[in-house]
Amino acid sequence: GAGVSQSPSNKVTEKGKDVELRCDPISGHTALYWYRQSLGQGLEFLIYFQGNSAPDKSGLPSDRFSAERTGGSVSTLTIQRTQQEDSAVYLCASSLGAEDTQYFGPGTRLTVL
Amino acid sequence: GEDVEQSLFLSVREGDSSVINCTYTDSSSTYLYWYKQEPGAGLQLLTYIFSNMDMKQDQRLTVLLNKKDKHLSLRIADTQTGDSAIYFCAERTYGNNRLAFGKGNQVVVIP
Repeated sequence: GAGVSQSPSNKVTEKGKDVELRCDPISGHTALYWYRQSLGQGLEFLIYFQGNSAPDKSGLPSDRFSAERTGGSVSTLTIQRTQQEDSAVYLCASSLGAEDTQYFGPGTRLTVL
Repeated sequence: GEDVEQSLFLSVREGDSSVINCTYTDSSSTYLYWYKQEPGAGLQLLTYIFSNMDMKQDQRLTVLLNKKDKHLSLRIADTQTGDSAIYFCAERTYGNNRLAFGKGNQVVVIP
């Protein structure tokens, strides 16, 4: 069946611009996660959605980062006023339930010039 | 808190066994995972082990868990060129749904 999909696969932007990254989880998965993979920091948790509960935003690095999940399915990660240190691969994962195995998408590579 | 450590690089000849190691600090880990990342790709789940198990075997993969030393290993038997990738271990702790990842271990298989 279809896995987690993310778009775009690559995004190049100029410093100061806003970007939106999209994640389509596996159908029927109630939990959705965003992680960031960068050279210096490895894989870091950003935010977690579970059903209709309030999201766990504790991993977001600054208030320039926000995410939403509409209708319990598709999620959008927004980075405002991008900085060069935001350059990374942004990975989305979903799981059937809160404690189930997480399956990852291919990621979006963000480059901020 | 969670802290997961991995060594960085392993070179192995095709057909040999590879062993990748990982240590973690949080004793409340519930599940421990191994993910594989090929160049330009996302993370592919390889296998996982529940924290009350010592060993899990899945075809060419063997996971060993030493809870006393908080040490996790992944053995790949008969390593193939397609096994060349970065391998990440990750832990999920009790009451916490996020994964804490190690820095990854790059495996290069020499034909």
